[in-house]
Amino acid sequence: DQQVKQNSPSLSVQEGRISILNCDYTNSMFDYFLWYKKYPAEGPTFLISISSIKDKNEDGRFTVFLNKSAKHLSLHIVPSQPGDSAVYFCAASAQSNYQLIWGAGTKLIIKP
Amino acid sequence: DVKVTQSSRYLVKRTGEKVFLECVQDMDHENMFWYRQDPGLGLRLIYFSYDVKMKEKGDIPEGYSVSREKKERFSLILESASTNQTSMYLCATTYRDRVYEQYFGPGTRLTVT
Repeated sequence: DQQVKQNSPSLSVQEGRISILNCDYTNSMFDYFLWYKKYPAEGPTFLISISSIKDKNEDGRFTVFLNKSAKHLSLHIVPSQPGDSAVYFCAASAQSNYQLIWGAGTKLIIKP
Repeated sequence: DVKVTQSSRYLVKRTGEKVFLECVQDMDHENMFWYRQDPGLGLRLIYFSYDVKMKEKGDIPEGYSVSREKKERFSLILESASTNQTSMYLCATTYRDRVYEQYFGPGTRLTVT
């Protein structure tokens, strides 16, 4: 039973437009959420995070939104650039347990 | 920059062989993790260690063991490799109090035939 779900295996977006990646979770005890980015032949790298006490966190072109009532978070990338083409993983944690629970990933393809 | 290295990028082993995967980090991080990544399943935690000689089971420890004799080195051992252990194995490290921001190695793609 996957507690963190990324229902879109892949997403294709035109360069310069907004990319929106979605993530749903089932465990109401999760209170910290992260996005990681992974290029082929490399390990994932940390991108951005959000605590459950917030509903938005922004870092340059990247913004994460959290909707606790819907148990949903999203990552917005604007404007999308070719270097953003990668697999994006959503992860969640409950502070009582430092373990991260990961989604299956969404492959983002930025078209020229 | 944190550097996390893994002993092999690609490995092919036969069923029943004992397999060692090594991870070395150069940033004096206290915590080290071993994950496997499979299509459609994301990353799943096998074991983690928060100090030398300390280890904790993750979600899928069966068929695996670990060793951490030195702070910078964390080894994953497949006692008797099986075909269902064919996967991408990823090592990660963090500071003790920043467990969420994990630094990953490049991964080892293991094929068991």
